[in-house]
Amino acid sequence: DGGITQSPKYLFRKEGQNVTLSCEQNLNHDAMYWYRQDPGQGLRLIYYSQIVNDFQKGDIAEGYSVSREKKESFPLTVTSAQKNPTAFYLCASSDRTGRTEAFFGQGTRLTVV
Amino acid sequence: RKEVEQDPGPFNVPEGATVAFNCTYSNSASQSFFWYRQDCRKEPKLLMSVYSSGNEDGRFTAQLNRASQYISLLIRDSKLSDSATYLCVVSNYQLIWGAGTKLIIKP
Repeated sequence: DGGITQSPKYLFRKEGQNVTLSCEQNLNHDAMYWYRQDPGQGLRLIYYSQIVNDFQKGDIAEGYSVSREKKESFPLTVTSAQKNPTAFYLCASSDRTGRTEAFFGQGTRLTVV
Repeated sequence: RKEVEQDPGPFNVPEGATVAFNCTYSNSASQSFFWYRQDCRKEPKLLMSVYSSGNEDGRFTAQLNRASQYISLLIRDSKLSDSATYLCVVSNYQLIWGAGTKLIIKP
């Protein structure tokens, strides 16, 4: 089945540590996105990529980094510079035009302990 | 002004009622429009795309008004299972998300 997979579902991190969230899709989509969602809030764009080896900062990129070495993969690293990383992180993919729906992974719930 | 704005919620409505959501957008060049549903602690899922002529899927009707730059979602005969947050999305090569409107259906 085609889809988008995020892992892990739950992640605990100690303060000061970097952590990487995985996102893989087999939908042959060019565009991939990372969003952060806090309780009771909407989606905020962290980074997006329209093509391999290229990505753009979203609204809240500080303290995060990404790579796009393969079309299928768009990992997100939450660095120690991110002051308040506890949140629900969602990865999505779509075609490059944005004219068709975006598909989401099940999300990763990150908690800093 | 936000690029995409939705009605602030939550909407509390009795089961069986009709409920309407509105969403306004600022970019007149926007080309594609969608409504998503998000259940608590889950990922958003596509509810329906919105076409220029309007479209219907069972109890759900979506409409687009390009002149006034808004889209709407109507839910008829609401069910308890319709309780969720409804997100509108506007696209002009990039997806722009509204903040969502929470709907609570009461028995």
